[in-house]
Amino acid sequence: QVQLQESGPGLVKPSQTLSLTCTVSGDSISSGGYYWTWVRQPAGKELEWIGRIYFSGNTNYNPSLKSRLTISVDTSKNQFSLNLTSVTAADTAIYYCARDRVVAALGYMDVWGKGTTVTVSS
Amino acid sequence: DVQLTQFPSSLSASVGDRVTITCRASQSISRYLNWYQQKPGEAPKLLIFGSSSLQSGVPSRFNGGGSGTDFTLTITNLQPEDFATYYCQQCFSTFITFGRGTKVEIK
Repeated sequence: QVQLQESGPGLVKPSQTLSLTCTVSGDSISSGGYYWTWVRQPAGKELEWIGRIYFSGNTNYNPSLKSRLTISVDTSKNQFSLNLTSVTAADTAIYYCARDRVVAALGYMDVWGKGTTVTVSS
Repeated sequence: DVQLTQFPSSLSASVGDRVTITCRASQSISRYLNWYQQKPGEAPKLLIFGSSSLQSGVPSRFNGGGSGTDFTLTITNLQPEDFATYYCQQCFSTFITFGRGTKVEIK
């Protein structure tokens, strides 16, 4: 059974960098056929796709975040990570990692982590 | 980017009712449309992928359809555990987007 678990600081100061890691168990990131994805959700608001990475390192980013965003993968640890620089209060949200299964160009997020709350505040 | 408009934004229904949620794309996305259910305090859960394919383990009372720009999610015989927020999501573009959600509440 595939499980994803987010980890990282729950509180980040404005202008600093938000760093989160998603640890995958029950499946190998290197097995292929999946993108590994980050999605966030401010309290009471809708879901926002942040970006995703393939095990090869190929990435797709939300254009509105691209200038501040880096998603990386560590296949030896079966983890992928998110770094978001120059954060503001608008980056306060629940951050989810998810497995994005891709079959013949159709992608769907079939496994999700429980989410981790990140607050940006001094 | 592909914008998704969901309506209604909320609805009230009773157990046993049939409800339909609509998702309209700003351009044709073929059948690259998925549906998720989210309950308070939980992560989203995949219900439907590729417009109409039921994810394993999801009850058959959930039905998706549509192609191009107009899509629907229909829940027949609404059950107490179905009261939640539902999101559509497109994967036609490499810039993935979600709809703003439809909250299904108990009447």
